[in-house]
Amino acid sequence: NAGVTQTPKFQVLKTGQSMTLQCAQDMNHEYMSWYRQDPGMGLRLIHYSVGAGITDQGEVPNGYNVSRSTTEDFPLRLLSAAPSQTSVYFCASSYGDPGYNEQFFGPGTRLTVL
Amino acid sequence: KNEVEQSPQNLTAQEGEFITINCSYSVGISALHWLQQHPGGGIVSLFMLSSGKKKHGRLIATINIQEKHSSLHITASHPRDSAVYICAVRSSYNTDKLIFGTGTRLQVFP
Repeated sequence: NAGVTQTPKFQVLKTGQSMTLQCAQDMNHEYMSWYRQDPGMGLRLIHYSVGAGITDQGEVPNGYNVSRSTTEDFPLRLLSAAPSQTSVYFCASSYGDPGYNEQFFGPGTRLTVL
Repeated sequence: KNEVEQSPQNLTAQEGEFITINCSYSVGISALHWLQQHPGGGIVSLFMLSSGKKKHGRLIATINIQEKHSSLHITASHPRDSAVYICAVRSSYNTDKLIFGTGTRLQVFP
């Protein structure tokens, strides 16, 4: 099993550009989440999904969109990149509610917005 | 004040030392997680606990619900234990998310 995969590993964008961060898992997990990690702050939840076709907002959803058309894939879209979105992004999946189950994390995407 | 506080922020140790990392939280919780973030950035879950104590190899996690405090202990530390250790809690009230601490950076020298 590949676990949770994320692409790209690194990305540089200019302000106003859009892009999609890809996330896929092969463990048949229902729950998937996107987090951002910034210096001096804990991981913060952007969006999450409890199954195909179901998504919801987390703590910091502004400027990001998600969709979940399949169990395996959970892409994160930046609509119009801003320097404040410079961060490391992690995708994670779990069999059930991540509060009560082990989460498996992708390797992360380091995004810089100029 | 953050809802989840970890101490110390940074910790250095000599190989073989006993390590303790602390996590205090200010909200009611239903579960607490310890995670490890490797120098390369990857994050793995170590423990989930809601009471008592759990042990895995040289790692021991304890939680005291009344005192709202958890500790992660590493016995016979090794340079490969060098990582950032992150505490996260599942609030009893806000069930939408985990609340993460900012992490404790541990460096173990040979």
